[in-house]
Amino acid sequence: QSALTQPPSASGSPGQSVTISCTGTSSDVGSFNYVSWYQQYPGKAPKLIIYDVNQRPSGVPDRFSGSKSGNTASLTVSGLQAEDEADYYCSSYAGSNTWEVFGGGTKLTVL
Amino acid sequence: QVQLQESGPGLVKPSQTLSLTCTVSGDSISSGGYYWSWIRQHPGKGLEWIAYIYHSGSTYCNPSLKSRVTMSVDTSNNQFSLKLSAVTAADTAVYYCARRDRTSGALFDYWGQGTLVTVSS
Repeated sequence: QSALTQPPSASGSPGQSVTISCTGTSSDVGSFNYVSWYQQYPGKAPKLIIYDVNQRPSGVPDRFSGSKSGNTASLTVSGLQAEDEADYYCSSYAGSNTWEVFGGGTKLTVL
Repeated sequence: QVQLQESGPGLVKPSQTLSLTCTVSGDSISSGGYYWSWIRQHPGKGLEWIAYIYHSGSTYCNPSLKSRVTMSVDTSNNQFSLKLSAVTAADTAVYYCARRDRTSGALFDYWGQGTLVTVSS
């Protein structure tokens, strides 16, 4: 069982927006602004798409955005495209005993 | 361009020790700006952080794996390694090495391609 809770699946039609949630606790997501999101295609390594809750690395489209409220972080993908169909994982720093935790992943389907 | 490459046996017998090495190019482990990490993914499952090491040798481990994990760093060859002892079938997974930014948290910006390790007799 993963430390962070994500819905197993999400879907949307091209051009629509979809939001994926990531629920942690006051010991991880709720305590630190260190939430990252990763995109993973089948058979490939994860790719960082959001860090520090809402920052995008260079080269990541601005269709991807992140936010946080309390113990829950969210990833929003706007203007869905076929290439956005992938698995998405959240991760959070969890302090100097647990260090890093991941969510179980959400499979995003573009209808 | 930073690149990481995992290497090691793809098959390990139960109760033995899994050993993997990550070779880094395009960055120096000695630069001090990053933690060098291992993350695994069980077949069809989510990601699990295992541990990371700083160039000084300081190691930080997932509490659930701490008793079985040993990490080391070889700055002369720009490599770092993972040893996981007393493996069982539950340790079968794709193992990734990754670079983690030292100034942030949960920020793994470069990953290796991953290597599948199967635990079986």
